[in-house]
Amino acid sequence: GEDVEQSLFLSVREGDSSVINCTYTDSSSTYLYWYKQEPGAGLQLLTYIFSNMDMKQDQRLTVLLNKKDKHLSLRIADTQTGDSAIYFCAEPKAGNNRLAFGKGNQVVVIP
Amino acid sequence: DAGITQSPRYKITETGRQVTLMCHQTWSHSYMFWYRQDLGHGLRLIYYSAAADITDKGEVPDGYVVSRSKTENFPLTLESATRSQTSVYFCASWDSATVGYTFGSGTRLTVV
Repeated sequence: GEDVEQSLFLSVREGDSSVINCTYTDSSSTYLYWYKQEPGAGLQLLTYIFSNMDMKQDQRLTVLLNKKDKHLSLRIADTQTGDSAIYFCAEPKAGNNRLAFGKGNQVVVIP
Repeated sequence: DAGITQSPRYKITETGRQVTLMCHQTWSHSYMFWYRQDLGHGLRLIYYSAAADITDKGEVPDGYVVSRSKTENFPLTLESATRSQTSVYFCASWDSATVGYTFGSGTRLTVV
């Protein structure tokens, strides 16, 4: 089964906020990541959060971490057409440092 | 240019043929990974390597072979391609000195 769970699709109007959620399984993860994949491209690191933080803000991006519930969210403020992409949350696994990914959440921004 | 380079970008091959996907990184990161991306499955780990000459299986290794004779290269070989191996393949690297994993642009492989 999947280590990381995400919902699959989100449609949002340009200028609105979008929120993407994920749950993870490994409570020992030092970092948790959000990756962005634009159409036909590879994955680029969007942002990350230390496991000892509850929140991280980076310009239009806000990451919230609830360690008790193993829940991670990404909020994009003032969503723009360039934000249309698939977003993956990921956690590194102990022992081999592999990244375990969710199935991804496709965000479509409507102009 | 610094980064991870994957080649070819696109490949069409026939069932039963051997095909090798190339991955080259310029940083000397110790860890390298191969993932495949399929609709409905997200990214699944095929093989990874912790250093030159050290490789290990991931979640879906069957039908694939890897080698890592040099730190910067991590080729992935499909010994006898099957249609189920039609996918987009991503190579990635990581080192303890970096925070995030860096991905290549991917190879889109079609097996006919």
